[in-house]
Amino acid sequence: GQQLNQSPQSMFIQEGEDVSMNCTSSSIFNTWLWYKQDPGEGPVLLIALYKAGELTSNGRLTAQFGITRKDSFLNISASIPSDVGIYFCAGHDRTSGTYKYIFGTGTRLKVLA
Amino acid sequence: NAGVTQTPKFQVLKTGQSMTLQCAQDMNHNSMYWYRQDPGMGLRLIYYSASEGTTDKGEVPNGYNVSRLNKREFSLRLESAAPSQTSVYFCASSEEVFVAGGGLETQYFGPGTRLLVL
Repeated sequence: GQQLNQSPQSMFIQEGEDVSMNCTSSSIFNTWLWYKQDPGEGPVLLIALYKAGELTSNGRLTAQFGITRKDSFLNISASIPSDVGIYFCAGHDRTSGTYKYIFGTGTRLKVLA
Repeated sequence: NAGVTQTPKFQVLKTGQSMTLQCAQDMNHNSMYWYRQDPGMGLRLIYYSASEGTTDKGEVPNGYNVSRLNKREFSLRLESAAPSQTSVYFCASSEEVFVAGGGLETQYFGPGTRLLVL
C-alpha cells in the first residue's frame, strides 16, 4: 500500500539541539498532519497544514507544507528529554474522493540529556 | 470530553477465537477509522467509515469486519484470530470544517488496543 517516505528513520540528539525531519510523497496532498506517539500511547496531533507554503508553529514545533505539495517538514527547536518518541506525518488528498489518510513510517527521536 | 476511547486496552487470544474491539468518540465526527500498527510498518488502514451507515475497506481488510453502530461507535471484529493479527489497533475519528476555499480536516486517535494472538 501507499506510504509516505519519512526521514530520518531515527535520530539521537543532545538536549538543546534543534531537530529536523521530513516526509515526501509521490502524489500531492492538500492536508498534512504531524503526530507524536509516546510509548504505549496513541498518536497525538501536533500540527495540521492545509495550504502549500504554509508555515505553522506549536510552541517549539514548526511545520511547513512544501510548495510542491508533495512534502512537509517538521522542526523542533531546543529539544528537551520529553520530546522523545515517534513522529509521524500523514497526508490526505481531499480531491481523491476518499477519506483515507496516508501515513509515514515514523521518525524515532531519542534525546540525550 | 474524552475524545476517542477504545476497549479493551489489552487482549490475548488463541488462534481461531473471535473478539470485537470497541471504539467510541464524543466529538460528533462523521468519519471513523481502524488502523493496525506493526513494528517498522507505520499505521495501516483496515477499514473506515465516512459516515454513519457506510463502511469501506482500507489497505489491509482481510480477516476483519466492522460495524458502524451509530455516529459515535465503530467496532472491529476478528471472526477467527490468527497470529498474523497480533498488533496494536488504533481507532481514529476525523472532522472536516468547511471554510472559505475548502475544508480543513484533522484526525484524532484513541489510546490503542494491544492484541496478542497465540
